Formats: sequence, C-alpha cells, structure tokens
Amino acid sequence: QSVLTQPPSVSAAPGQKVTISCSGSSSDIGNNYVSWYQQVPGTAAKLLIYENTRRPSGVPDRFSASKSGTSATLGITGLQTGDEADYYCGAWDSSVSAWMFGGGTKLTVL
Amino acid sequence: QLQLQESGPGLVKPSETLSLTCTVSGGSISTNFYYWGWIRQAPGKGLECIGNIFYSGATYYSPSLRGRVSMSVDTSTNQFSLTLASVTAADTAVYFCARHHKNSFYDSWGQGTLVTVSS
Repeated sequence: QSVLTQPPSVSAAPGQKVTISCSGSSSDIGNNYVSWYQQVPGTAAKLLIYENTRRPSGVPDRFSASKSGTSATLGITGLQTGDEADYYCGAWDSSVSAWMFGGGTKLTVL
Repeated sequence: QLQLQESGPGLVKPSETLSLTCTVSGGSISTNFYYWGWIRQAPGKGLECIGNIFYSGATYYSPSLRGRVSMSVDTSTNQFSLTLASVTAADTAVYFCARHHKNSFYDSWGQGTLVTVSS
C-alpha cells in the first residue's frame, strides 16, 4: 500500500500536455526530495526528475516537475506516442525511515 | 558507464529463502554518494522498494518486509545481495537492483530478474 497517492491513469492526445499528481504528507513529500520515474512495461524504470525539479542529462525539457507543500506534479508537454508508459513518484518517508514509491500512473496517448 | 546485473534462482519454493546478487560494473560500490538498493514489482503491480545498503553495511528496509529481509555488501567483488526468508506466492515479482543517490533518487537500474515462488 503506497503512502504516495497517484491517479491510476491519465490520457491525452498527441501534442497535448498532461499532468500527473503525487500526494503525500509532511513525513515524505513535505520534508524530502521527490523524484519521478518512467517505466515501459517489461523494462527497468528510468529516472526523469530528481530533487523535485531537476532533469538528468538526456531527459527532454518536455518533462518538468514541481512541488508544493505535501504534493508534487509531473508535467509532460508535446505528448508523443513514445511517452506511453507508467509513471511513478518517489520520496523518503521519515516516519518509517524507508523509501516509498507512489502507486503509479498509466499514461495513454490517444 | 555504470551497469548493474541481477543474478540468482528464478524459482523458489514456498517457505524457503530467496537469494539474489547484484554485480556492479563500471564504477565502485565503495562510494560515499550512493546507497545500493533492491526494488521489486509483482506482476501487473507497481514498484515496491525493498531496501538499500551502504558500502559500510548500513541498511534500511521497507517496514512491510522487516523481519524477513536482509542485505549484505561485498566490496571486494563489487556486489551486493538480498535474502528474503519464508517466501510465499506474494513474493513472486521482478526484482531490480539499483543505485540510490544519497539525495534520494534511483539513477541507475539493472534489467531485473523474475523470481517465481511455487512448489
């Protein structure tokens, strides 16, 4: 059971923008860094965003993220069919001294 | 280029112990900037962090698995390992090893290995 809550699915048309939310608490998102991951089914996850808003080299600037209080949001602009994947947020949970992933959001590009 | 590779049995009997090893190449496991972790994904489910280990041997484990999980590190072979005791069918999953930056993100992953718990 995830302590970080994400919507199960989102969808949008190619070229459009989509946002994925990640809701937590003061013990996780509220006081720790958030990261975001992209996973194509059957493969390992790929780091998209770290330290709340930073993109690793090689990740397009179509991917962005923000954090406010106990929630974080991933945004993807100029959607492409290749963006279809599962997206996960993650953060340290200070109350249990453990790392947590959100439940994941399936992105469909219609 | 850092690479991580999981290895171990693909089939484990119920009540027995699951053991996996991750071999790190292209970089040293003995670094002050990273932990080394295990993450699993049950069929059709999301990612679950099992725990992380530092090269010194310091660990932290998922609350739901504490009591059954143990991790170790071997700096001489650049490997770290996972053991999970008393497995059940619910432990059937793809198990990934990954590098965890101390600022709290996983930046490099192995390809994953499927472990099935079945008699």
